[in-house]
Amino acid sequence: GAGVSQTPSNKVTEKGKYVELRCDPISGHTALYWYRQSLGQGPEFLIYFQGTGAADDSGLPNDRFFAVRPEGSVSTLKIQRTERGDSAVYLCASSPLTGVVNTEAFFGQGTRLTVV
Amino acid sequence: AQKITQTQPGMFVQEKEAVTLDCTYDTSDQSYGLFWYKQPSSGEMIFLIYQGSYDEQNATEGRYSLNFQKARKSANLVISASQLGDSAMYFCAMREARFGNEKLTFGTGTRLTIIP
Repeated sequence: GAGVSQTPSNKVTEKGKYVELRCDPISGHTALYWYRQSLGQGPEFLIYFQGTGAADDSGLPNDRFFAVRPEGSVSTLKIQRTERGDSAVYLCASSPLTGVVNTEAFFGQGTRLTVV
Repeated sequence: AQKITQTQPGMFVQEKEAVTLDCTYDTSDQSYGLFWYKQPSSGEMIFLIYQGSYDEQNATEGRYSLNFQKARKSANLVISASQLGDSAMYFCAMREARFGNEKLTFGTGTRLTIIP
């Protein structure tokens, strides 16, 4: 497909479990972003990749959250020991350029994570 | 301190009327970009319009225009001739043009409902 793809679209997990959320960016986009959107809020930045490396992970809430992008394309957001407060929609976005303030970010439809 | 403020949690507008969605922002940077995104119930964020801090003219994209008042730090979105398909959440966002900064900061959004 032409857009950003996120899988799964929905994930229900038990408190304390480990989850992985996958993002397939638009082909050729070097920048990839993860955001978290809690109910009734706007998206909040988590982490940004430039190629394979995490250029800015200042938004990760704690060390239970980790993300990788080993080949500079697909990215996985990993959450250990999930808590009920982690329940949110996790949005992935990609863009073709960095360092340009007007670069548009293209978003996927998100993964709705529910921790019970 | 909240950097993006959207004071209208919800708005109801008659079809074919124009609507203005408010956004104020806070930054000490001189160079920044302002974005509006639409989020329908499907969840993905759809880019609508961009305004750069140094742009002298208000941005326009089809039925969307941005009323940019730099001194007041406001960037209101105007949708002309509203359509039923415009019903969605609308988010204002900002990117500060600092070296290495790629993240978007979003407001809490406005839910727009178009009434037939």
